[in-house]
Amino acid sequence: QKEVEQNSGPLSVPEGAIASLNCTYSDRVSQSFFWYRQYSGKSPELIMSIYSNGDKEDGRFTAQLNKASQYVSLLIRDSQPSDSATYLCAVRPPTNDYKLSFGAGTTVTVRA
Amino acid sequence: NAGVMQNPRHLVRRRGQEARLRCSPMKGHSHVYWYRQLPEEGLKFMVYLQKENIIDESGMPKERFSAEFPKEGPSILRIQQVVRGDSAAYFCASSSNSPLHFGNGTRLTVT
Repeated sequence: QKEVEQNSGPLSVPEGAIASLNCTYSDRVSQSFFWYRQYSGKSPELIMSIYSNGDKEDGRFTAQLNKASQYVSLLIRDSQPSDSATYLCAVRPPTNDYKLSFGAGTTVTVRA
Repeated sequence: NAGVMQNPRHLVRRRGQEARLRCSPMKGHSHVYWYRQLPEEGLKFMVYLQKENIIDESGMPKERFSAEFPKEGPSILRIQQVVRGDSAAYFCASSSNSPLHFGNGTRLTVT
């Protein structure tokens, strides 16, 4: 079982719609969760971090965490063509406070 | 306020040659991490270094790969006798008790 798994995608949504990205993780005691955005040929860029159960909103992005289900998601509201990128879910295992485990990523394409 | 700087951006090597990838962390950051990204795969942790110390190299292949972060100068990821399977994007990240900030990566192509 992979440490971090994401819905495989690619995900295509029309402009203005909501893009929903899912991520599950295997280590039940993980405490820190991150979403990175990576444009093609570019570096990953941190867009959201979440540490507690529930929702966290930042602009058009909402991260949702459910530790009981070992599930973290990212919603992108009012999707724009500039949101077209690969989104990487990352989990920090409790045994190392520095090492991140990444999912394979979900590629999102927003159609104008 | 420069971010994490990596060079070269692109590196082409023939099988059997050596590849040297350099990384300068963000100003004030003393922790450097190297990750490798293969096509269609996520970022895989390779090594974590602080100045003059390797803290965790559990993700490094046992042979041909080495990393250093000297007291002066950038961190270096060195791959000896490269093979085609080493072709990937290699990302460096730095932090100072904060989320990771990534450089733009070095794309290594082995021909």
